Amino acid sequence: DQQVKQNSPSLSVQEGRISILNCDYTNSMFDYFLWYKKYPAEGPTFLISISSIKDKNEDGRFTVFLNKSAKHLSLHIVPSQPGDSAVYFCAATIGGSQGNLIFGKGTKLSVKP
Amino acid sequence: GAVVSQHPSWVICKSGTSVKIECRSLDFQATTMFWYRQFPKQSLMLMATSNEGSKATYEQGVEKDKFLINHASLTLSTLTVTSAHPEDSSFYICSALRGDRGFETQYFGPGTRLLVL
Repeated sequence: DQQVKQNSPSLSVQEGRISILNCDYTNSMFDYFLWYKKYPAEGPTFLISISSIKDKNEDGRFTVFLNKSAKHLSLHIVPSQPGDSAVYFCAATIGGSQGNLIFGKGTKLSVKP
Repeated sequence: GAVVSQHPSWVICKSGTSVKIECRSLDFQATTMFWYRQFPKQSLMLMATSNEGSKATYEQGVEKDKFLINHASLTLSTLTVTSAHPEDSSFYICSALRGDRGFETQYFGPGTRLLVL
């Protein structure tokens, strides 16, 4: 039973356009959500997070939107750059701590020049 | 930024042998470290939580006698896969928790690719 779902295994976007990565969750107790970026043969790198008390968090080209009623969050990257090509993992936790992260399966983003 | 290293980065071993993987936090002390396993096209699955100076906490379905975890110092945790079998072949990633309670961040190592023949 997957509590965090990333239903799109891959996404291809043209450089300069917007990339939208989606994530759904089933556990209504989750109150903190994170996005990680992972290059091949490397560990995940923290990208951006959002608390359930907010519906949007922005950091440069990256914005995360949270829709609690739909149990859905999304990561927007604009403009997309070739260096953004990686696997993006959505993760969720309870209590605001990163101590117990539940990960989705990831979405492989390819940004084409 | 915080740096977490893993050694070795990849290992090939024969079935029945034991393999030790080290996870180090290089520029900070970590009371808590985590061990994950990732199979192809799957998500990172938490195996166990490693606490310095105490026994590790294992997730349901993870055999503690097969995956031995030792967190002997604030900068080092080790995972030993005992009597490894081909089904243990996977990508093992550790992370270290840094920060004050409630504001912690997990920093991940680069992972260790294990292939059991």
